[in-house]
Amino acid sequence: AQKVTQAQTEISVVEKEDVTLDCVYETRDTTYYLFWYKQPPSGELVFLIRRNSFDEQNEISGRYSWNFQKSTSSFNFTITASQVVDSAVYFCALSEGGLTGGGNKLTFGTGTQLKVEL
Amino acid sequence: ETGVTQTPRHLVMGMTNKKSLKCEQHLGHNAMYWYKQSAKKPLELMFVYSLEERVENNSVPSRFSPECPNSSHLFLHLHTLQPEDSALYLCASSQEGGRQPQHFGDGTRLSIL
Repeated sequence: AQKVTQAQTEISVVEKEDVTLDCVYETRDTTYYLFWYKQPPSGELVFLIRRNSFDEQNEISGRYSWNFQKSTSSFNFTITASQVVDSAVYFCALSEGGLTGGGNKLTFGTGTQLKVEL
Repeated sequence: ETGVTQTPRHLVMGMTNKKSLKCEQHLGHNAMYWYKQSAKKPLELMFVYSLEERVENNSVPSRFSPECPNSSHLFLHLHTLQPEDSALYLCASSQEGGRQPQHFGDGTRLSIL
């Protein structure tokens, strides 16, 4: 069975600090996909990034960066120079690869509440 | 119209009422999903529709009844709900295949009196 663990329930930082959100996953599939979503207070989950299991390249997008390490089954998310607008709940999720006809079933972690204060 | 639209945004109902939640996607996707999000709990997948056929029902009580009349619309019919059903109900859509991200609506905040 698939499992996603986000051990950090809540993180508080001061604006401009860097912060890393941890995600550890479990799966027996050799092909799988990892995702990060952001959920601001408005409720909508916003898709941030997808990473394939066969591509361990790290990715940077502006102040966001992601570190994928298969050896430790981790897919961590770092926000550099955090801002108040980054305050939200962040979810890590995992899906099996190659399925057709069954939808795309995501297994979500429990989320990390990030609070960025002035 | 933005990607995934859910109505209503807020709903308060008594335990004996019947109501429906509506979801519409404008992204050309062929799979749609209902999730329940309760406080302090992980997101729970309720139903999955792929190509307008239900492919997943995660042991959801029969007081929740989904309907998918076409690939753009998804409904969740509610009947005789319990107080523990109070939660945020999120709709999502995606293209088929594990690599495809799901796109979510803003959710319906449901309160059962």
